[in-house]
Amino acid sequence: KAGVTQTPRYLIKTRGQQVTLSCSPISGHRSVSWYQQTPGQGLQFLFEYFSETQRNKGNFPGRFSGRQFSNSRSEMNVSTLELGDSALYLCASSSTGTGNTIYFGEGSWLTVV
Amino acid sequence: KNEVEQSPQNLTAQEGEFITINCSYSVGISALHWLQQHPGGGIVSLFMLSSGKKKHGRLIATINIQEKHSSLHITASHPRDSAVYICAVYSGGGADGLTFGKGTHLIIQP
Repeated sequence: KAGVTQTPRYLIKTRGQQVTLSCSPISGHRSVSWYQQTPGQGLQFLFEYFSETQRNKGNFPGRFSGRQFSNSRSEMNVSTLELGDSALYLCASSSTGTGNTIYFGEGSWLTVV
Repeated sequence: KNEVEQSPQNLTAQEGEFITINCSYSVGISALHWLQQHPGGGIVSLFMLSSGKKKHGRLIATINIQEKHSSLHITASHPRDSAVYICAVYSGGGADGLTFGKGTHLIIQP
């Protein structure tokens, strides 16, 4: 079956702009979680959605937001981009949540200039 | 907040060697993940453990809940095993997401 799909794969934005990233989970999975990976901080948890509800949220400012649709597809949005938001953004899907096996997408590489 | 420590940070070995990567965490958990990341970014989940031991091919993962420690072993290592291996823990209770270690950069030389 198809894996986790993230779009776009690569994007360049200017400081102050906003960006929306999309994640389509494995069919039947209701949990989608998002992560930021940078060389300095490593992998950090952003938030998790389950059946359209945000289940938990990491320690990121309110500029980072997300949502999940009824078909389990998820989007995350970053507003008022800063240079430090340049990172690889990964999403992962799971049948029940991150206490179970998770499957990662290939990620979206965001560069803020 | 859980603190996750991995060791070693970097490891270079010869093909065929037995590899061990360690992960320790500070607070009790309900699940621990071992992940593999190749250059280019994609992450593959190798194991999800809540107790005991799991084996898949040449990979073995163990966890000691009382000692808050897990190990990932690679037997008969091969250059294609070269990657970053990341330990991640889930504390459970629905309040937290995953907390990650900083990763172990493994290079297997032919």
